[in-house]
Formats: sequence, C-alpha cells, structure tokens
Amino acid sequence: GAGVSQSPSNKVTEKGKDVELRCDPISGHTALYWYRQSLGQGLEFLIYFQGNSAPDKSGLPSDRFSAERTGGSVSTLTIQRTQQEDSAVYLCASSLGAVSYGYTFGSGTRLTVV
Amino acid sequence: AQTVTQSQPEMSVQEAETVTLSCTYDTSESNYYLFWYKQPPSRQMILVIRQEAYKQQNATENRFSVNFQKAAKSFSLKISDSQLGDTAMYFCAFALYGGATNKLIFGTGTLLAVQP
Repeated sequence: GAGVSQSPSNKVTEKGKDVELRCDPISGHTALYWYRQSLGQGLEFLIYFQGNSAPDKSGLPSDRFSAERTGGSVSTLTIQRTQQEDSAVYLCASSLGAVSYGYTFGSGTRLTVV
Repeated sequence: AQTVTQSQPEMSVQEAETVTLSCTYDTSESNYYLFWYKQPPSRQMILVIRQEAYKQQNATENRFSVNFQKAAKSFSLKISDSQLGDTAMYFCAFALYGGATNKLIFGTGTLLAVQP
C-alpha cells in the first residue's frame, strides 16, 4: 500500500482480555518496528523485525506481549491478559532497512483497557 | 546507552514568528543520525528533517532548519514563519550508523502551539 496501515484505529478492551493489533507495512519494506506511546511520554521501542525474524525484541515489557510477522509483510502485536497500564497508542513503522532515512509510521492504534 | 532529552514540554509561538525547539543527546559513538519528527493530532508521525553526524553543514527543509552542535551534543530545530499547521508534538530522535537494529531512540517530545 501507499503507507503503513494499522488496525484497529481504536480499541477498548476489558482488563484480562487478549488483544491483537495489526500492522501492514509499505510494500517492499523489509524492516518493521513497533513502538508504544503512553500519555505524556515519548516513544518506547518494543520490537524490530527484519523480514520475518525479530533480531531485537528487547523492548517487550513482559511475556504477555508477543509479536509475529508473516510473509515479510503483515505484523501482529498480541497482548495477553491486558492490564490498565497497557493503555497507550501503539505505533508501527517500516523502512527499507537502513535507518538513515528514518521510518514511515502508521497512525497507530489507541488501546484503552477498562 | 544512548539517550535523547527534550527539556521543553510545551512551547507557544505567534503565527509568522520563529521558534526554536531544543534537543540534547548522549552517546559515545561518532557516527549517527538525528531526526525531528512531527506528530499532529492525527497521530501520524511525519519526518521533518534529518542530519548525518558526519556532515558539518546544518540541514534545512524549507521553513525548517537545525542547529547541529556535535561537540555539545545538541540538535535544535528552528521553525521560521510559523503556521497554524505547525501545531503538533515534535520529537527529536537518534539512531546509530550501522547499528544492529536500526532502532530510533526518541525524546519525550515538545508540544508546540502556534497562536493566530
């Protein structure tokens, strides 16, 4: 597609439920990133994919968080047993591989855990 | 570890005036990239300007320019002739050249309000 697409745009879930957030990167972009943006905070790195593998998942905050990428394209971020502190905007970005030109971001998914 | 600091949580400027947003960073590396991103209420992060650390010349993009002081580890953004559409959160970001993960490290942002 023309840009990075994320769905859903907004998600409200009950505490304890599992959620899946989807990211569809720009076609041909081999690198994909997930970031979390909490209210009043900067962007917190979660995980990096190169192709289908994740060489850096150091930012995942707990084992309730997982992500996968299939076909070198779409990625899904899954949060199990959601907690109120998981409420944030989850941003996905993609790039051709080199960081020198920055990333292209999606518009994010706003997750609210009630 | 690399860190990025934006010490101005909020700023305000009158339309058509000039404003400068501050950013400092900490790294022991010599080759890296610096970026300014804009995030309007739509949440879409938009790349405003980028700078390679090995270039002494400051980057410019239309009304946007940077003051890159490598020795001081400072990377400020100047917005000239401010427009209402410049109202947004602005994030400074750092990335290592040749880093294993191409990870961008962001500051906490500066909320800029352009007043009519």
